[in-house]
Amino acid sequence: SQQGEEDPQALSIQEGENATMNCSYKTSINNLQWYRQNSGRGLVHLILIRSNEREKHSGRLRVTLDTSKKSSSLLITASRAADTASYFCATDERNNDMRFGAGTRLTVKP
Amino acid sequence: EAQVTQNPRYLITVTGKKLTVTCSQNMNHEYMSWYRQDPGLGLRQIYYSMNVEVTDKGDVPEGYKVSRKEKRNFPLILESPSPNQTSLYFCASSLHNEQFFGPGTRLTVL
Repeated sequence: SQQGEEDPQALSIQEGENATMNCSYKTSINNLQWYRQNSGRGLVHLILIRSNEREKHSGRLRVTLDTSKKSSSLLITASRAADTASYFCATDERNNDMRFGAGTRLTVKP
Repeated sequence: EAQVTQNPRYLITVTGKKLTVTCSQNMNHEYMSWYRQDPGLGLRQIYYSMNVEVTDKGDVPEGYKVSRKEKRNFPLILESPSPNQTSLYFCASSLHNEQFFGPGTRLTVL
C-alpha cells in the first residue's frame, strides 16, 4: 500500500517561479526522502530528512517535515526548464522498507 | 562508475513464458529491492533483500520470486507471467537509506 501521497498530482509553472509540492503519510516514520524521475528513467535521490529534523536545504531545494501533521513539503526555488520531472516522496517505516507516493508531475515552462 | 544495471531494458513476452530480469550493483550495498511502477500508482515494492540469502516480501509480491545468492545480484523471476504484470520495473540498492535506482525494465506480457 502507498504510504506517501503527493499533492498536487500535476503542477505547471513558469521558469523562475518557485514550485511547492506536498506529501502526506499515514504512520510513524524514521525518515522521509524525496526523489526525482525524468520520464521513464530511474529515480534519483534528492534529499533525506530524518524524523527529528524540521527543515533541510540542498542547493535550490528546501524540504520541511511536520511529524505532528504527518506531512512534508518540497520547495524548488527559481525553477528551471530542466527541473521538469516527476517528484516522489518516500517514507521509511521500518529499516529500508520504503513506500513511495504516486508523485507530482512538475512542468516548468521556459 | 557506481551504478545499478538491469537487463533486459525492454521485453515483450507471452503469458506463461518464464522470464528473469537481472539486477546487478557494483557498490557493495547490502540492501536491494525491486519495484514496479504503474500509472497513477507510483512505485510499489515487490521484494527486498537486506543481505545475501535474506529476502522479504514487499507490498505486491504475488507472481514474483527473487533470489540473493550474491551481494551484487538480485534477479527478479516471473515463473508464469500474466498481462497484469505488464509494467515498468526498477531495481534499487542502498547502503544507508538513500536508494540508487537502475534504469528500468519495461515489460509487456501479451
